[in-house]
Amino acid sequence: QQQVKQSPQSLIVQKGGISIINCAYENTAFDYFPWYQQFPGKGPALLIAIRPDVSEKKEGRFTISFNKSAKQFSLHIMDSQPGDSATYFCAAIYGGATNKLIFGTGTLLAVQP
Amino acid sequence: NAGVTQTPKFQVLKTGQSMTLQCAQDMNHEYMSWYRQDPGMGLRLIHYSVGAGITDQGEVPNGYNVSRSTTEDFPLRLLSAAPSQTSVYFCASTLLPAGTKSEQFFGPGTRLTVL
Repeated sequence: QQQVKQSPQSLIVQKGGISIINCAYENTAFDYFPWYQQFPGKGPALLIAIRPDVSEKKEGRFTISFNKSAKQFSLHIMDSQPGDSATYFCAAIYGGATNKLIFGTGTLLAVQP
Repeated sequence: NAGVTQTPKFQVLKTGQSMTLQCAQDMNHEYMSWYRQDPGMGLRLIHYSVGAGITDQGEVPNGYNVSRSTTEDFPLRLLSAAPSQTSVYFCASTLLPAGTKSEQFFGPGTRLTVL
């Protein structure tokens, strides 16, 4: 049973376009939602994160949109570049003093030049 | 700082063999964890530790053992390898939060194949 559902599984975007990856969760005990970026042969690295009391967070070309009532959140990559080609994972962490990450299944993004 | 290091990078085992995947961090992080990554399934938590001498199970602990004798090291042991344990294994570490969440730093991974 996947606690964090992620879509699409793969995504192809033209350079300069907008990449959108969506995630949904059921457990309202989650209180922190990070996104990780993983390049081939490397470990995941934190990209951006949001708390459920905020509806949007932007860092450069990367934006998280959060809809608490719908239990959904999404990553938008503006002006997508070939260097953004990677696998993206959404994740969630339970409230309280814990760091147990629950990952989505990942989205393989390819940005074509 | 070297960050989180893992050895070996690649390993091939035969069914029934045992081995230890090594993980070390030099950031004085209390929290360390092991994940396995399989196609279409994301990363799943195997075991984690909130400090030396303290470990607990994650989502998929069966077939794996861990121990945490020092803050720096968190080895993962496969007692009797099975083909279902073919995967890429990642170790991660972070400071324990003081009322907030903190970034987890991942190692480069160990690609394990069990024949």
